[in-house]
Amino acid sequence: GAVVSQHPSRVICKSGTSVKIECRSLDFQATTMFWYRQFPKKSLMLMATSNEGSKATYEQGVEKDKFLINHASLTLSTLTVTSAHPEDSSFYICSAPGLAAYPSSTDTQYFGPGTRLTVL
Amino acid sequence: GENVEQHPSTLSVQEGDSAVIKCTYSDSASNYFPWYKQELGKRPQLIIDIRSNVGEKKDQRIAVTLNKTAKHFSLHITETQPEDSAVYFCAASRSGSGGSYIPTFGRGTSLIVHP
Repeated sequence: GAVVSQHPSRVICKSGTSVKIECRSLDFQATTMFWYRQFPKKSLMLMATSNEGSKATYEQGVEKDKFLINHASLTLSTLTVTSAHPEDSSFYICSAPGLAAYPSSTDTQYFGPGTRLTVL
Repeated sequence: GENVEQHPSTLSVQEGDSAVIKCTYSDSASNYFPWYKQELGKRPQLIIDIRSNVGEKKDQRIAVTLNKTAKHFSLHITETQPEDSAVYFCAASRSGSGGSYIPTFGRGTSLIVHP
């Protein structure tokens, strides 16, 4: 089945620094990837849709200058949290739609393993 | 846009019992309804899904039902086991060309199966 990797899995940084998170589709091409933020025991909150070769589409309330997204190739999207602050601490997950390994299903989401960001 | 409501937020059952999680959606154009299981600190994993042209789908101990008229769909887990303990998310979306649809997720249900 389709595999999505994410790096790093965990990062701790000082307030004011920028952090880059990579999301890669390992065995399929993804013209679109999604970036989510998840708070403890909460649902997945869509932050933005990353589009290969064009600008990302941000959800309402998400600052595009704060969360920079670059989708430079068909297998890589990056999310950069700029000038991170403690309130940015969260679990960030990317996903990419692809053919599902599950019988007769298509267009399912494959999630990366997530990145735990802690801003001190 | 689409709005997905999921209930209950927490579900506690004894091993061997059945568990049912329900979701409703608002957009009648939604036609794809996956269910994901997320264990603590891990990524969500697809466990079953259903399309709008089907009313029910089953895979061993899990099944999903869909009522398009009422715009609700449910996940059923029979003979629950402790390893079924996790957070389950439902989602609704329109399946579009190029696979670039955007799913809307429910808030999640924390299922606890007591041995």
